[in-house]
Amino acid sequence: KAGVTQTPRYLIKTRGQQVTLSCSPISGHRSVSWYQQTPGQGLQFLFEYFSETQRNKGNFPGRFSGRQFSNSRSEMNVSTLELGDSALYLCASMKNRPPDTQYFGPGTRLTVL
Amino acid sequence: DAKTTQPTSMDCAEGRAANLPCNHSTISGNEYVYWYRQIHSQGPQYIIHGLKNNETNEMASLIITEDRKSSTLILPHATLRDTAVYYCIVRVGKGLTNFGNEKLTFGTGTRLTIIP
Repeated sequence: KAGVTQTPRYLIKTRGQQVTLSCSPISGHRSVSWYQQTPGQGLQFLFEYFSETQRNKGNFPGRFSGRQFSNSRSEMNVSTLELGDSALYLCASMKNRPPDTQYFGPGTRLTVL
Repeated sequence: DAKTTQPTSMDCAEGRAANLPCNHSTISGNEYVYWYRQIHSQGPQYIIHGLKNNETNEMASLIITEDRKSSTLILPHATLRDTAVYYCIVRVGKGLTNFGNEKLTFGTGTRLTIIP
């Protein structure tokens, strides 16, 4: 079974721009979560989508948004990029709800200049 | 979700068993213990999880104490490819009617280095 895929793998943007990252979950998984990983803050939860609805949200500003499509694929968007948004963005998929396991993709490395 | 405490770093000789401890003294009855690892700049890799019984799979064994306040992840024959940061996470399971528990709360983990 194919794992979680994320595109693009690497991205370079400048301050003020916006960016859209994509995640395709494992087939049959309906939940997609997004995490941000930085050296200073570690791995932090952004939000989770289930059946096209945001089910859970972390403590990030409104510049960070996401959506999920009917095929469970998900996108996250960051508007008005700041230098501090440079991070590894990870997507994880899960079948339905805990204790189902979350499986992570390889991540998208975003660099903001 | 309950907090976990792990040693910051550990070394283990190649070929030996690596035993990674985790304290979760405030764990509640419906919380599972999960282990993930992350090799540099890759996505976290799921290893194993358990509720109260010991668990074993092709990657590792998970030993949970009877009071469930601590657990140990065992990699039976460590190789250089096992060098990674290992995260112990507790997370609520099913049986809840309220959402908000789907996330994984990562701590700082244990940096395991396998020595040749």
